[in-house]
Amino acid sequence: EPEVTQTPSHQVTQMGQEVILRCVPISNHLYFYWYRQILGQKVEFLVSFYNNEISEKSEIFDDQFSVERPDGSNFTLKIRSTKLEDSAMYFCASSGSGNTEAFFGQGTRLTVV
Amino acid sequence: GESVGLHLPTLSVQEGDNSIINCAYSNSASDYFIWYKQESGKGPQFIIDIRSNMDKRQGQRVTVLLNKTVKHLSLQIAATQPGDSAVYFCAENLGTGNQFYFGTGTSLTVIP
Repeated sequence: EPEVTQTPSHQVTQMGQEVILRCVPISNHLYFYWYRQILGQKVEFLVSFYNNEISEKSEIFDDQFSVERPDGSNFTLKIRSTKLEDSAMYFCASSGSGNTEAFFGQGTRLTVV
Repeated sequence: GESVGLHLPTLSVQEGDNSIINCAYSNSASDYFIWYKQESGKGPQFIIDIRSNMDKRQGQRVTVLLNKTVKHLSLQIAATQPGDSAVYFCAENLGTGNQFYFGTGTSLTVIP
């Protein structure tokens, strides 16, 4: 069964450092997403990506964040100058079309120390 | 922001009983809803969806009911099993884009 895969599963970084979270969406999907879940809280939308550009982003997704699809299979989230409050689970998701169910990866747990 | 909330943060049921998880949403323009299941340490897993032109949809052991009049969504799980223990989220799409707004989640515990 096709699935979204994310690496690494856990990333520890020092405050102020840059991190790149990696995702391989389901191969025939066209829409890609990043969501975040702070421990014990709800899943929050960060950004959606379609046709090699950002289609939507939330207030959370400020200049500190960027996304890229560097090749035909990977989708990355870069967080520059990480802050303590960036510590969370980051989920990548993909869908075959807009406004249909998104399939989520297992998440990357980011810990900023 | 939009509000998608859950009435109960926790729910415990006996194995074999039916479970009902509720969700309230605030935006009458929302036209697509999904229930996700999240097990510990894993990502949200799609369970079932429903569009606003329907009021009921059934899957395997699960049924989603949508009441647009009171902006309420429920997930019914028949013959609940220990493997159903997880946090359940409803997610709402406003119909104007691709993003979903998630509720805070209900933790379901199935007692053997």
